[in-house]
Amino acid sequence: GENVEQHPSTLSVQEGDSAVIKCTYSDSASNYFPWYKQELGKGPQLIIDIRSNVGEKKDQRIAVTLNKTAKHFSLHITETQPEDSAVYFCAASKAGRRALTFGSGTRLQVQP
Amino acid sequence: NAGVMQNPRHLVRRRGQEARLRCSPMKGHSHVYWYRQLPEEGLKFMVYLQKENIIDESGMPKERFSAEFPKEGPSILRIQQVVRGDSAAYFCASSPPSGHYGYTFGSGTRLTVV
Repeated sequence: GENVEQHPSTLSVQEGDSAVIKCTYSDSASNYFPWYKQELGKGPQLIIDIRSNVGEKKDQRIAVTLNKTAKHFSLHITETQPEDSAVYFCAASKAGRRALTFGSGTRLQVQP
Repeated sequence: NAGVMQNPRHLVRRRGQEARLRCSPMKGHSHVYWYRQLPEEGLKFMVYLQKENIIDESGMPKERFSAEFPKEGPSILRIQQVVRGDSAAYFCASSPPSGHYGYTFGSGTRLTVV
């Protein structure tokens, strides 16, 4: 089955710096790649997603890039703020199957 | 417009008891998914249901776990004869019938088995 690996497991940046989180997936049939933010005691919240027919998507300070050949995708957060501190999860799914396979998460700490 | 509602938020059960977790999807959503999250880990898919149908239960443990989504009422995840290893956060998500894009998760039920 699908396997999603996520790096790094923890990331500490200074406020205003950029943060990058990377994921690789194993199943070349995967075609949908969402990113979730989870704050302490809460459920995951979808922040951005990308489908396999595009290579990049941007929403204000957040962007996601996808390299289908290498089977990896990345989350980029620019101008980080303390409220960006949370655990971020990448996920993947393939056409015809609605289940998501999640990465193990990255704990992002933005230092004021 | 209420989001995905899960209750209870916290549930404590003694070993051997039954746990029932409830999930009401967002209005207009007819697809429900259950995930389990162990401490410091990612979410693991358990089951995908539509009204009165289990569509994909490939992530469900073979014994003690069951799920339903009746015609009326919330989806229920049932764990019989709980063991310490069942302690985890259980999240429900829902999506509209048009596709799985845009999953919305609830706030979860934290199950503690003592």
